[in-house]
Amino acid sequence: RKEVEQDPGPFNVPEGATVAFNCTYSNSASQSFFWYRQDCRKEPKLLMSVYSSGNEDGRFTAQLNRASQYISLLIRDSKLSDSATYLCVVNPNNAGNMLTFGGGTRLMVKP
Amino acid sequence: NAGVTQTPKFQVLKTGQSMTLQCAQDMNHNSMYWYRQDPGMGLRLIYYSASEGTTDKGEVPNGYNVSRLNKREFSLRLESAAPSQTSVYFCAAGDRGLKKLFFGSGTQLSVL
Repeated sequence: RKEVEQDPGPFNVPEGATVAFNCTYSNSASQSFFWYRQDCRKEPKLLMSVYSSGNEDGRFTAQLNRASQYISLLIRDSKLSDSATYLCVVNPNNAGNMLTFGGGTRLMVKP
Repeated sequence: NAGVTQTPKFQVLKTGQSMTLQCAQDMNHNSMYWYRQDPGMGLRLIYYSASEGTTDKGEVPNGYNVSRLNKREFSLRLESAAPSQTSVYFCAAGDRGLKKLFFGSGTQLSVL
């Protein structure tokens, strides 16, 4: 079983739609969680951290469910510019030295 | 302020050739990393360096060596390239506690 698993997609949605991605992780002791965004042929960039109580950044909402060991990302009012691959990232041991990346979920927002 | 700079951007090698990927950061981070990214596999950690003078193996270190020359620079060497090393390579630097990784723009390597 992969340490961090994501549905690869693609998720094809119209502009203005709400879309949600989930990610599961295997290490129950993991403490830190993140969503990164990666545009085609570009480097990954931090989108947002995921906090235990859930957090929001504009149109983006991240949630953590420790009991079921999954993280979610909700995007409201999708824009064409949201088209990208979204990477779920976990710090598995909180030692601060390593991050484990999921395979990514591809989102395509259509006009 | 360049952030993380890696070179070259593209490289084609023949099986058995060697090469070094260079990475430099100007953000004064202690930790630096080399990842490879393959379709459907996500990013996999090759080697990392928690601080100047230290290096550790990641998930997929075989066939690679690294050097943390100083705080700024972290290079990745392929001594004898193999087709299985065809991939996109990313260097990254991390802030304290790894709350955020900053990536270079990547190196697309093809081994024929």
